Amino acid sequence: AQKVTQAQTEISVVEKEDVTLDCVYETRDTTYYLFWYKQPPSGELVFLIRRNSFDEQNEISGRYSWNFQKSTSSFNFTITASQVVDSAVYFCALFYYGGSQGNLIFGKGTKLSVKP
Amino acid sequence: NAGVTQTPKFQVLKTGQSMTLQCAQDMNHEYMSWYRQDPGMGLRLIHYSVGAGITDQGEVPNGYNVSRSTTEDFPLRLLSAAPSQTSVYFCASSSIGPDNEQFFGPGTRLTVL
Repeated sequence: AQKVTQAQTEISVVEKEDVTLDCVYETRDTTYYLFWYKQPPSGELVFLIRRNSFDEQNEISGRYSWNFQKSTSSFNFTITASQVVDSAVYFCALFYYGGSQGNLIFGKGTKLSVKP
Repeated sequence: NAGVTQTPKFQVLKTGQSMTLQCAQDMNHEYMSWYRQDPGMGLRLIHYSVGAGITDQGEVPNGYNVSRSTTEDFPLRLLSAAPSQTSVYFCASSSIGPDNEQFFGPGTRLTVL
């Protein structure tokens, strides 16, 4: 069965602190994709990154970085020097093949609050 | 491009009423889906479609119907609303395949009294 676990329900940091959001996934598929989405207080879902199971290279985009480790089934997300605008709910998701088409399964999300 | 649009943005229903949540996309995407978001539960897949005339159930399909008569539209029907269906509903679309980003609509906040 496929599953995504985001054990941290809420995290609160002070601006400029680094913060890591954890994501652990379960799947029997050998080919799969992992995603991170951001949901700011306005409510929309913003795509951040997609990573396939064959690419374990870490990714860095500005203050954001992602650490994908198949050995521990983890896809963690780090924000460096956090800012108030980073306050949001962050979702990790796994793409799996089921039914007539693959679908995304989401973790329950981590609410990040960055205080000035 | 308008992307993925959803109407209405807010809706209040009484138990037993029916309604349709509208979703439209103008990106010619084959794949469309509906999710519901509940506090502490993340997003859960209700129904999805891989093209006109083709739909399938997701994780939480009970109480919802869908149909896909055109590529652009994918309405979600609640035949007899229940308080348990109070939620925020998101529609998404993408090209077929995991390599393609899913685009989400702005959401519909539904309250069933």
